[in-house]
Amino acid sequence: DVKVTQSSRYLVKRTGEKVFLECVQDMDHENMFWYRQDPGLGLRLIYFSYDVKMKEKGDIPEGYSVSREKKERFSLILESASTNQTSMYLCASSFIRFTGELFFGEGSRLTVL
Amino acid sequence: GDSVTQMEGPVTLSEEAFLTINCTYTATGYPSLFWYVQYPGEGLQLLLKATKADDKGSNKGFEATYRKETTSFHLEKGSVQVSDSAVYFCALSDSLYTGTASKLTFGTGTRLQVTL
Repeated sequence: DVKVTQSSRYLVKRTGEKVFLECVQDMDHENMFWYRQDPGLGLRLIYFSYDVKMKEKGDIPEGYSVSREKKERFSLILESASTNQTSMYLCASSFIRFTGELFFGEGSRLTVL
Repeated sequence: GDSVTQMEGPVTLSEEAFLTINCTYTATGYPSLFWYVQYPGEGLQLLLKATKADDKGSNKGFEATYRKETTSFHLEKGSVQVSDSAVYFCALSDSLYTGTASKLTFGTGTRLQVTL
């Protein structure tokens, strides 16, 4: 069964802390994505990657960075967490040949106090 | 830019009722359209898709028809079940026009609650 695994389901951090959200997929997908999900705003794309060490900004990259050192792993980094980054973070992956299907992880709910 | 507008939720229905969730879009070119579903505690999964005008996507009793003239992709099901309770997201990809494959623009989501 295909799987996208996000390392933490729930995190509580303090303002100013550095936060790492990890995502691993076992489908040998080339594309990986980080979305943020907020009530009334839907899903918004933060960053995506088409290949190892490659990254591109999405619609709301400010305050975030990413790392993709291996094909199966895509990390989202909050250099200095702020309260407005309290949200649900969703990782997704897909094949390079786009069929419209993204495979999503279960999400990481981050609370910044 | 591209955008997707969904009807506000939550939508509350009794089991076996007819469901419609409205979705309209704005895009340049010829987008592909999708419905994703998020069950409680789970990630999103693709429900159905349509890649050109007048195509009908269907899956698990759900249907949606790509209407270019009204820029709509409404989701319908003839008889909902309690197990259909979830959040439904309409989305589009303009990859054919822009060449940036795999990027999806999502709507805000519509929560469906089905009761016995």
